[in-house]
Amino acid sequence: DAGVIQSPRHEVTEMGQEVTLRCKPISGHDYLFWYRQTMMRGLELLIYFNNNVPIDDSGMPEDRFSAKMPNASFSTLKIQPSEPRDSAVYFCASSLVGVAKNIQYFGAGTRLSVL
Amino acid sequence: QKEVEQNSGPLSVPEGAIASLNCTYSDRGSQSFFWYRQYSGKSPELIMFIYSNGDKEDGRFTAQLNKASQYVSLLIRDSQPSDSATYLCAAGGTMEYGNKLVFGAGTILRVKS
Repeated sequence: DAGVIQSPRHEVTEMGQEVTLRCKPISGHDYLFWYRQTMMRGLELLIYFNNNVPIDDSGMPEDRFSAKMPNASFSTLKIQPSEPRDSAVYFCASSLVGVAKNIQYFGAGTRLSVL
Repeated sequence: QKEVEQNSGPLSVPEGAIASLNCTYSDRGSQSFFWYRQYSGKSPELIMFIYSNGDKEDGRFTAQLNKASQYVSLLIRDSQPSDSATYLCAAGGTMEYGNKLVFGAGTILRVKS
């Protein structure tokens, strides 16, 4: 299995621009998570989906952030407009409820720099 | 607020020694516990998971869980310089939190050769 695939790996943009991060979960996994990691705040859960349905978006910092999961193999996290304080590494993770419940497998991450 | 607490470190141990990493969690309903290793600039990688009280061993790694004390630990035997990384403890599986995990801030481990 190719694992969780995220794109792009690096994104540099200017304040005010729209940024879209993409994630392909492991095939067959039914949960997908979006995290943000910074030195100051550590690893923060932004939103997660179960069977393509958003379950908890309480970690989304503000209305500038939105996430979608149109099908079982694709999700996006969009920031519009972006701000310098959004600079962070964004991880996507997926898991499968079952015997190995709750084990989350992480993608390589997208390093976002907003200038 | 459900929390997972870890000592940020850095924890420095000589090569070949045992590294002991500790973690406490606040939600008594937590059912599953994980240790992830994260190298600088990389993504978290699962090292161990444990669901039941007691010890679980996998190679040089041993995870220990004490639900009464709400305490999880990770022992790394024969530490190697390649073990130098940040270790994240996570807890989850509660009724309230469904399939979410709560991560600690991580402990930096440095193994000196």
